[in-house]
Amino acid sequence: DADVTQTPRNRITKTGKRIMLECSQTKGHDRMYWYRQDPGLGLQLIYYSFDVKDINKGEISDGYSVSRQAQAKFSLSLESAIPNQTALYFCATSATGSSYNEQFFGPGTRLTVL
Amino acid sequence: AQSVTQLDSQVPVFEEAPVELRCNYSSSVSVYLFWYVQYPNQGLQLLLKYLSGSTLVKGINGFEAEFNKSQTSFHLRKPSVHISDTAEYFCAVRESSSNTGKLIFGQGTTLQVKP
Repeated sequence: DADVTQTPRNRITKTGKRIMLECSQTKGHDRMYWYRQDPGLGLQLIYYSFDVKDINKGEISDGYSVSRQAQAKFSLSLESAIPNQTALYFCATSATGSSYNEQFFGPGTRLTVL
Repeated sequence: AQSVTQLDSQVPVFEEAPVELRCNYSSSVSVYLFWYVQYPNQGLQLLLKYLSGSTLVKGINGFEAEFNKSQTSFHLRKPSVHISDTAEYFCAVRESSSNTGKLIFGQGTTLQVKP
């Protein structure tokens, strides 16, 4: 099931480099989210978007930016990557009006910053 | 604000044994509760949810969880685990009246099923 896809799946980069992680969905959902997962910390919300013109910061947005290019695409950028941004990044989607806004997750992008 | 605590970071268990993964939450308002599973190299998949009504909820793959409001807990159980249940499990909460749908996750529990 490839309803929510993330590219790349793995990326190794160096400190100071600009990195973009991309998320696409074919579920027709209007809401999209970016999370990072660190061992022992669970998932933390970075940014979320309810439509192309509505973007909101999450718990840990410092050092990140996002772009909602279309309803189906939501990109996460690290303008100048640092080692403590090494983590597993997940994109998720949900639909406004669904009974409990169930979120559907992509397979994740493993990012390593050296 | 809500918070979620998963009381065990790792739970080793033998195949066909019962298992309980513990989750406690804190919130001053009504919440929805969720359990997600993450198999190796995959994204998160919803196991089950509590929205309202019966406090015992059943999910996929034979898992169930019980909502206990007085103890603010939502423990996940399975009477007999299989090797394929080896995965990381996340408890999550969201404010039931919130329009944002924001989820607050626990730290995760790694279930290791041994043959």
